[in-house]
Amino acid sequence: DVKVTQSSRYLVKRTGEKVFLECVQDMDHENMFWYRQDPGLGLRLIYFSYDVKMKEKGDIPEGYSVSREKKERFSLILESASTNQTSMYLCATTSAGTGAAQHFGDGTRLSIL
Amino acid sequence: GQQLNQSPQSMFIQEGEDVSMNCTSSSIFNTWLWYKQDPGEGPVLLIALYKAGELTSNGRLTAQFGITRKDSFLNISASIPSDVGIYFCAGTNAGNNRKLIWGLGTSLAVNP
Repeated sequence: DVKVTQSSRYLVKRTGEKVFLECVQDMDHENMFWYRQDPGLGLRLIYFSYDVKMKEKGDIPEGYSVSREKKERFSLILESASTNQTSMYLCATTSAGTGAAQHFGDGTRLSIL
Repeated sequence: GQQLNQSPQSMFIQEGEDVSMNCTSSSIFNTWLWYKQDPGEGPVLLIALYKAGELTSNGRLTAQFGITRKDSFLNISASIPSDVGIYFCAGTNAGNNRKLIWGLGTSLAVNP
């Protein structure tokens, strides 16, 4: 089974802080994704990466950056956290060779005060 | 970004009833996926469909890839309380098999 581990289930930070959300997968998958999920808005793609050191903007990249220095780890960075970034953040992975089905971590519920 | 039209938005049913939900797209899709999300958890893949007309079952769940390639449905038979959750459809269209396009979800409540 694919295991996608997000570093924190719950996180509380203050406005203006730099926040790091970490995601690690154990299946050697090429593609990794960061989403945020808000009530009534579904899952929205922030950034994705299809290889080490590669990244592409998703639908809502503003206020975020990402880092992929190793294949198994994909980090989401909030450069200067704001209250409108309070949300559930989900990491997902997929292998390039096995279709589009993404496998998700359990999510990080981030609150910005 | 593009979104799928998923309906119904929510359902409240009695235990033992069958459930049907569907997703439609304005463009042709190559892949249809159905996920379930329990409260406080990440979505879990239920069924993946890769060919037009494909009908696939997973226990009490059945999903179909529409012949027009613009729609898919998910049926749950004989619902039980643990079926409660949010069901999402997602898929990929021509030219981009990495990014998923998502529906907004169907929230299912089951009355024991």
